[in-house]
Amino acid sequence: AQKVTQAQTEISVVEKEDVTLDCVYETRDTTYYLFWYKQPPSGELVFLIRRNSFDEQNEISGRYSWNFQKSTSSFNFTITASQVVDSAVYFCALSDPDSWGKLQFGAGTQVVVTP
Amino acid sequence: DTEVTQTPKHLVMGMTNKKSLKCEQHMGHRAMYWYKQKAKKPPELMFVYSYEKLSINESVPSRFSPECPNSSLLNLHLHALQPEDSALYLCASSQQGITGGGQETQYFGPGTRLLVL
Repeated sequence: AQKVTQAQTEISVVEKEDVTLDCVYETRDTTYYLFWYKQPPSGELVFLIRRNSFDEQNEISGRYSWNFQKSTSSFNFTITASQVVDSAVYFCALSDPDSWGKLQFGAGTQVVVTP
Repeated sequence: DTEVTQTPKHLVMGMTNKKSLKCEQHMGHRAMYWYKQKAKKPPELMFVYSYEKLSINESVPSRFSPECPNSSLLNLHLHALQPEDSALYLCASSQQGITGGGQETQYFGPGTRLLVL
């Protein structure tokens, strides 16, 4: 069975601080896919990244970076030099070939960035 | 263009009303999804259409009735809803859906905030 754990319910930072969001996953499959989505107060889920289980390279996109560690089943997300616009709920999600296209979401982490 | 549109943005309805939510995508995707999201919770999958056929129904009550007239359009017909059905309803699309091997990215619309009185 699949499971995604985002243990941090809420993280509050002051603008320009870095913030790291943890995501730990469980799956029995050797092939799987991990995703991060951002949900600002407007409600839309915005796709940020997809990573497959065979690609352990870390990725950087502007102020965003992701650290994928299969050894610890973690796919953590760091926002560098946070800005007020980063205030949102961030969801980590997992799917695999047996999930019929279904995403297993974590509970989400609320990030609050204050000026 | 990764846009999924949803109308209306907000909807208030009584328990005896009939209303519909609409979702549209023009990315050539062949799979479309309905999710329900309660406050401070992750989205919960309701239905998946793949190549215009209903592929997954997550045991959703019959007062929610999905319809996929064509591969670009997805409707959710609502009838005799309960106050606990008040939530954000999100639509998403992806390339193929259940035949995609789990690797597909789902692109979400802005959602419809539904309030049932």
